[in-house]
Amino acid sequence: DIQMTQSPSSLSASVGDRVTITCRAGQSISRYLNWYQQKPGRAPKLLIYAGSSLESAVSSRFSGSGSGTDFTLTISSLQPEDSATYYCQQSYSSPTFGGGTKVEI
Amino acid sequence: EVQLLESGGILEQPGGSLRLSCAASGFTFSSHAMSWVRQAPGKGLEWVATIADSGSRTNYADAVKGRFTISRDNSKNTLYLQMNSLRADDTAVYYCAKHRGSSSTFDWGLGTLVTVSS
Repeated sequence: DIQMTQSPSSLSASVGDRVTITCRAGQSISRYLNWYQQKPGRAPKLLIYAGSSLESAVSSRFSGSGSGTDFTLTISSLQPEDSATYYCQQSYSSPTFGGGTKVEI
Repeated sequence: EVQLLESGGILEQPGGSLRLSCAASGFTFSSHAMSWVRQAPGKGLEWVATIADSGSRTNYADAVKGRFTISRDNSKNTLYLQMNSLRADDTAVYYCAKHRGSSSTFDWGLGTLVTVSS
């Protein structure tokens, strides 16, 4: 199984801040990396797929970058509705998820 | 619009069995691989099992191998998860997930809660 390590596990930021979450894979996964947002009591929602492709109807303040083993999710200007937990997931082999990053406003 | 509706989650005793179902609509069910992903209370996401579009191939996480069986009925647009020899650490919300294309990029159902406790 490919281990996915996310950091930080939690962060607190202010409205308008630029926020960066990192995800590291235990081996190269090319660009087979997705990012999901999950709010309490809700199912995860796809934000970014294939490393950097923005899912339809997702705000352009979300962006993804990286390839190989190191990836980043950036929220360019944090909004109150972005309060959630964010997960990375590799789709290179049997899927595995990062441990999550809880973002508080 | 993709819709995935899970059912079957209940309170079950350790050692018991349970079958989850996922009714799919809004897409051609028989053309997509499907998976189950679970989330224990307050914890992260854990992939459980995947089945190919035709049902001919399956794959399981080590934690459930030999106890859980994923299956599908393409004539009924329904995905199943048969869960045997349940343990307390199987307690979780179980999500049904549709694969996009050939990748494990997921569209998610609403989830169903399975609680294993005496």
